[in-house]
Amino acid sequence: GQSLEQPSEVTAVEGAIVQINCTYQTSGFYGLSWYQQHDGGAPTFLSYNALDGLEETGRFSSFLSRSDSYGYLLLQELQMKDSASYFCAVRDRGSTGGFKTIFGAGTRLFVKA
Amino acid sequence: EAGVTQFPSHSVIEKGQTVTLRCDPISGHDNLYWYRRVMGKEIKFLLHFVKESKQDESGMPNNRFLAERTGGTYSTLKVQPAELEDSGVYFCASSQGGVPEAFFGQGTRLTVV
Repeated sequence: GQSLEQPSEVTAVEGAIVQINCTYQTSGFYGLSWYQQHDGGAPTFLSYNALDGLEETGRFSSFLSRSDSYGYLLLQELQMKDSASYFCAVRDRGSTGGFKTIFGAGTRLFVKA
Repeated sequence: EAGVTQFPSHSVIEKGQTVTLRCDPISGHDNLYWYRRVMGKEIKFLLHFVKESKQDESGMPNNRFLAERTGGTYSTLKVQPAELEDSGVYFCASSQGGVPEAFFGQGTRLTVV
């Protein structure tokens, strides 16, 4: 089966840097995605890593180590609007040959003034 | 361009009743996914359509859940008869073939009383 582990909550102050870690177990791993979800809203795509290394998109960066089955999302220059839930998600190739995305339980980020 | 739309946004039904959720994916997206989030837990995969075919329905909890995708366009998820543990937020997402980014709808909050 598949499983993902990420911290349930993280608190940081405005302007700081925060890292949200994710470890995963899956048999048909293709890549790791990150999604952001504000309360009552739809999850929205942030990033995708298929290869090892760091991908940077503005204030957000995402890292993947396939050998360690580990990734993280790095948020810099935190703003109040970054308070949300962040989900890591594994793109997995199942036994039927199709791709599906399996989500973790999410990390609730609280940004304080 | 319209995003993924889901209807209804909220539904409160009694145990034993039937409810049908609808999802209209982004036009041209062959992949359509159903997910469920219960009480702040993980966004759990239910099933995956490629066009009108069920690619993977390994996440469907039991035979009270029936999903269809008519002509490869919109999809419905029927719960019959509903049980208390079916309460949660049901998300639909769509993506283009071969692209990891999935676009989510706002979800349907189902409450079974």
